Amino acid sequence: SAVISQKPSRDICQRGTSLTIQCQVDSQVTMMFWYRQQPGQSLTLIATANQGSEATYESGFVIDKFPISRPNLTFSTLTVSNMSPEDSSIYLCSVYSNEQFFGPGTRLTVL
Amino acid sequence: QKEVEQNSGPLSVPEGAIASLNCTYSDRGSQSFFWYRQYSGKSPELIMSIYSNGDKEDGRFTAQLNKASQYVSLLIRDSQPSDSATYLCAVFSNTGNQFYFGTGTSLTVIP
Repeated sequence: SAVISQKPSRDICQRGTSLTIQCQVDSQVTMMFWYRQQPGQSLTLIATANQGSEATYESGFVIDKFPISRPNLTFSTLTVSNMSPEDSSIYLCSVYSNEQFFGPGTRLTVL
Repeated sequence: QKEVEQNSGPLSVPEGAIASLNCTYSDRGSQSFFWYRQYSGKSPELIMSIYSNGDKEDGRFTAQLNKASQYVSLLIRDSQPSDSATYLCAVFSNTGNQFYFGTGTSLTVIP
């Protein structure tokens, strides 16, 4: 199984600011994903982070709001830009290597 | 129609009983099926994967897959209070290389 770490684990941010979340995997993986999970809800896929090319965004998510970087096969970042209280959620990094594994998540609160 | 459907519950079973969790999916081309357990405030944890028709047992957990009926289930024998969590069904579709998650079933095991 893959071991995934995320930073920060939680943050409280002001409206209009941006936060970058880092995801580090202990092995090279082809597929990395970013999810959002709001309280009491299931997982919502934001985008697939592609190494060497632009991320693939799901309907309702755009690059200007959630820019993603994937400089190599073990690391990715997700930025939540121009935040509003509606962005308060848990953001999860995930990788697929025969099976799908999740990082511990970043709990974001926007005031 | 959602790609993956689960009963949201809540499902309550007494300690020691069998908990049965069910999931249906719409993409007949799906090849990989997973069950995740998610405790409140934590990220999803993979507990079972199944790829071929029939049963797969791991300790107190048994996953069952019926591709003809597009149905996958999870049985938890000798349920314990520590099994109380939300259980997410996930399906990997080879069409588009994407995971689809159900909304989760909340399980409570009553001591």
